Amino acid sequence: QSVLTQSTSASGTPGQRVTISCSGSSSNIGSNTVTWYQQLPGTAPKLLIDSNNQRPSGVPDRFSASKSGTSVSLAISGLQSEDEADYYCAAWDDSLSGPVFGGGTKLTVL
Amino acid sequence: QVQLQESGPGLVKPSETLSLTCTVSGGSINNYFWSWIRQPAGKGLEWIGRMYSSGSANYNPSLKSRVTMSLHTSKNQFFLKLSSVTAADTAVYYCARGPQKYGSMDVWGQGTTVTVAS
Repeated sequence: QSVLTQSTSASGTPGQRVTISCSGSSSNIGSNTVTWYQQLPGTAPKLLIDSNNQRPSGVPDRFSASKSGTSVSLAISGLQSEDEADYYCAAWDDSLSGPVFGGGTKLTVL
Repeated sequence: QVQLQESGPGLVKPSETLSLTCTVSGGSINNYFWSWIRQPAGKGLEWIGRMYSSGSANYNPSLKSRVTMSLHTSKNQFFLKLSSVTAADTAVYYCARGPQKYGSMDVWGQGTTVTVAS
């Protein structure tokens, strides 16, 4: 199983605000920054929010992230059909000396 | 714009060595870390390891005994070898740029599917 814990699914209707959570421990989220990746169906993961909490060029500001202790959240406001994808959190793990991932949350736009 | 492309055999026999190449275009391989990540069908992502352009590497402890990474800077390519493969190594394999220090992997290849079967 994955080192970081994410709920397996989330859903919302167009225009709604949806939150995806991710929890870890003191060796990863608790002491390092977090990255979010978006994986559209049948494609490679894409950087959504980087470890400096910045959105790469082309990522709309509807996506935002926050952190509290050993948990992080990804918020998507004004949900759109093209947001339907798998979302993964990731963080450097000091014990592993490498990045660890959450198991992914499948977002469905109803 | 930097682009990555994985290549290699799509089918590997059990107990043999999986070998993949990642070709970097649109930018230099120098002064960056480069990673391999894999994803079994319907499952999550697993970081395999990373290598800096100088040749220093660190690997996921769960795979360390079977993994070797290398690179060819003049060809802008880096490589993955995974030995003694089993069906559990069947996955889509991605190469990516980063993470630099403790950061993000900002550019990903499209992935290549590797099946381990006789």
